[in-house]
Amino acid sequence: EADIYQTPRYLVIGTGKKITLECSQTMGHDKMYWYQQDPGMELHLIHYSYGVNSTEKGDLSSESTVSRIRTEHFPLTLESARPSHTSQYLCASRKPGLAGTGEQFFGPGTRLTVL
Amino acid sequence: AQSVTQLGSHVSVSEGALVLLRCNYSSSVPPYLFWYVQYPNQGLQLLLKYTSAATLVKGINGFEAEFKKSETSFHLTKPSAHMSDAAEYFCAVSDPGTSYDKVIFGPGTSLSVIP
Repeated sequence: EADIYQTPRYLVIGTGKKITLECSQTMGHDKMYWYQQDPGMELHLIHYSYGVNSTEKGDLSSESTVSRIRTEHFPLTLESARPSHTSQYLCASRKPGLAGTGEQFFGPGTRLTVL
Repeated sequence: AQSVTQLGSHVSVSEGALVLLRCNYSSSVPPYLFWYVQYPNQGLQLLLKYTSAATLVKGINGFEAEFKKSETSFHLTKPSAHMSDAAEYFCAVSDPGTSYDKVIFGPGTSLSVIP
């Protein structure tokens, strides 16, 4: 069973608030990812990290930011939440292996609603 | 650019019937392919993966997939559907353009199982 955690699971917040979505994994994986997913829709990569102090923007432009100070922790922050940020956010880590062969482990997701 | 297509955004089968979910990829180099399942309000879970070994890959819950290079396909099958198989299924490929760091997901197929 994957040991990757996300908190909170559900968050309802007002416009303009600063929020941080937490993601932690206990598997020691270097590569971690944040995806945005609308209900029943495909996953869009918004951020990824190769390891500590390494972060990259993904394919979908996002106003969020991430940090990677510790291997196990990859939080995502929105400085000023807006209704357009309403979505589900999935965090994942990737098993190391021969390039490209490692599978991803996903957290349960955070469903964010901005009023 | 690498891409993944899944024919049929929604598939319905009767309980006990064959499940066939289609996935095609675009790649000029050997791909590394994955199938994930997502149950409501959960993250994704790996079903199986292809990493250039056997072309017929067996996964969890009775699923299997066959890699066919000539057809650039990696279709997912299960001989007999169970009610618990109702979920969203995603095909994914490691992107060689990013040294396989990124994983590109298809749009997903929602599977319904009719009693």
